[in-house]
Amino acid sequence: KNQVEQSPQSLIILEGKNCTLQCNYTVSPFSNLRWYKQDTGRGPVSLTIMTFSENTKSNGRYTATLDADTKQSSLHITASQLSDSASYICVVSASDAGKSTFGDGTTLTVKP
Amino acid sequence: DGGITQSPKYLFRKEGQNVTLSCEQNLNHDAMYWYRQDPGQGLRLIYYSQIVNDFQKGDIAEGYSVSREKKESFPLTVTSAQKNPTAFYLCASSISNPYNSPLHFGNGTRLTVT
Repeated sequence: KNQVEQSPQSLIILEGKNCTLQCNYTVSPFSNLRWYKQDTGRGPVSLTIMTFSENTKSNGRYTATLDADTKQSSLHITASQLSDSASYICVVSASDAGKSTFGDGTTLTVKP
Repeated sequence: DGGITQSPKYLFRKEGQNVTLSCEQNLNHDAMYWYRQDPGQGLRLIYYSQIVNDFQKGDIAEGYSVSREKKESFPLTVTSAQKNPTAFYLCASSISNPYNSPLHFGNGTRLTVT
């Protein structure tokens, strides 16, 4: 069964600090992995999308890494801002399934 | 601006009533999806459509129905057969090959059934 597990479930950090969110998956055969940011009461917005051959991708202060051998990804947020407070969702797609498997998300709270 | 519009943002219904959630996109995407989100859980796929006049059941289709008469529109009906309809519903779209392109989401409809 395809699964995506994210950790931690929630995280509180001070403004200006860095943090790293984790995503482990068992989806096979792997097609791509995406990170989304979801503000409260809104739809998710794509941050990065990574295929098998990519192991790092950046989008401003967000940097995603992918280790396809260990089936792990991380999302690193640099110099956090209050607006980074949101849920971050890891989504993994299998190339033969036509559907995506969503993680439960990590809720990040950035405090002043 | 291109995007996905879901309406209404909040919807209240009595148990036993059917209700239809609207989803419209002007991104010219072929594929559209409906997801359900419950607190602390990942998104679960209800239905998806890859082309007009065709749609497929997702993982939790029971108690729901959809139609895809136009490329821009993919309404979802929550029927009285859905046992726990109270949830946050998200509509999304993508180009015809979703594997290497992101899903574009609407801002959701929060349905409360009492």
